Amino acid sequence: GEDVEQSLFLSVREGDSSVINCTYTDSSSTYLYWYKQEPGAGLQLLTYIFSNMDMKQDQRLTVLLNKKDKHLSLRIADTQTGDSAIYFCAVPKDNFNKFYFGSGTKLNVKP
Amino acid sequence: DGGITQSPKYLFRKEGQNVTLSCEQNLNHDAMYWYRQDPGQGLRLIYYSQIVNDFQKGDIAEGYSVSREKKESFPLTVTSAQKNPTAFYLCASSKGREADTQYFGPGTRLTVL
Repeated sequence: GEDVEQSLFLSVREGDSSVINCTYTDSSSTYLYWYKQEPGAGLQLLTYIFSNMDMKQDQRLTVLLNKKDKHLSLRIADTQTGDSAIYFCAVPKDNFNKFYFGSGTKLNVKP
Repeated sequence: DGGITQSPKYLFRKEGQNVTLSCEQNLNHDAMYWYRQDPGQGLRLIYYSQIVNDFQKGDIAEGYSVSREKKESFPLTVTSAQKNPTAFYLCASSKGREADTQYFGPGTRLTVL
């Protein structure tokens, strides 16, 4: 399968920026996704980026894509306690028949 | 409201018993998926179905079975052959076309005693 790697934990103070990183192995992926999971719940789509873009901004969220290094990052500006959750990057494969998810990064926002 | 429902939210079973997890969607999506989530391991694909009456094994299908008799429903049976069934199970659906994301249900936490 696809290898999608993320660090497991990130801790920041409220108001700081958070940067969550993801690396993947398949360079043919056309879209890359970020999902958020709150405790005991399913995953919600946060944002996505098309592979011919370097950057996408959506309010407090900025996605950066380095295709050469197969590196994806999610920056959350002015992080709030409500942003505390697990964040997953996801890479589709097999013509979107399968999605491969990273292990998830647990973001802890301290007041 | 359109969405995906999973029931029950918590499920307890004795070792050796089969158990069926429900997943229903009213989004008119063609594709449906089952994932297993374990702490620190992300989501792993168990089975997926692109169309009614057809489904494919994912990466960890051993010990599980599914059916897709209706577009709206994709139940997952965890059989006694599954060696370590205690986990959080997530169902998802999508239109099944390129660039379409997956929409997730709230999950079922299965605990085998």
